Amino acid sequence: GAGVSQSPSNKVTEKGKDVELRCDPISGHTALYWYRQSLGQGLEFLIYFQGNSAPDKSGLPSDRFSAERTGGSVSTLTIQRTQQEDSAVYLCASSLARQTYEQYFGPGTRLTVT
Amino acid sequence: AQKVTQAQTEISVVEKEDVTLDCVYETRDTTYYLFWYKQPPSGELVFLIRRNSFDEQNEISGRYSWNFQKSTSSFNFTITASQVVDSAVYFCALRNLSGYSTLTFGKGTMLLVSP
Repeated sequence: GAGVSQSPSNKVTEKGKDVELRCDPISGHTALYWYRQSLGQGLEFLIYFQGNSAPDKSGLPSDRFSAERTGGSVSTLTIQRTQQEDSAVYLCASSLARQTYEQYFGPGTRLTVT
Repeated sequence: AQKVTQAQTEISVVEKEDVTLDCVYETRDTTYYLFWYKQPPSGELVFLIRRNSFDEQNEISGRYSWNFQKSTSSFNFTITASQVVDSAVYFCALRNLSGYSTLTFGKGTMLLVSP
């Protein structure tokens, strides 16, 4: 079946602009996660959704970052007033439920802020 | 707080060599899950294995094997008779069952297998 998809695959933006990154989880997966992979920083957790609610936003690095999920499916990560340090690969993952199930990752969106 | 350490940043081997990737973790929870993911050059993280903290049996899947030792908080991954296609970054990750069960990743080990 279809895996997790993300769009765009690559995004180049100028410093100060807003960007939106999209994630389509695997159908039927109720849990959705956003991670950021920066050079030398490994993978950092950003936010977790269970259904449409985000009980854990502890990883969002600043108030310029926000995310929403609608219909228990598609999620959008928005970064406002982008900075160069926001350049990274943003990965989305989904799982059947939050507790015991493995997370399946999408291919990521490579964001470059110039 | 939980932490995953992959001390090996990069490993280079020649095809057919065996290679072990180390993973050491820290957690205060008694119940947790450990994972290994592979990230090939294409970038997509591929799930390899999940182990729970109650099951210390080693596991073998083809050329892959995993050694979980609770006493040393380690979950090492061995590739036997490595192949060029094994070249990738490998991540070890930990998830507690308390809280919201997000994954804590190590920084990854880049494995380069040359012909």
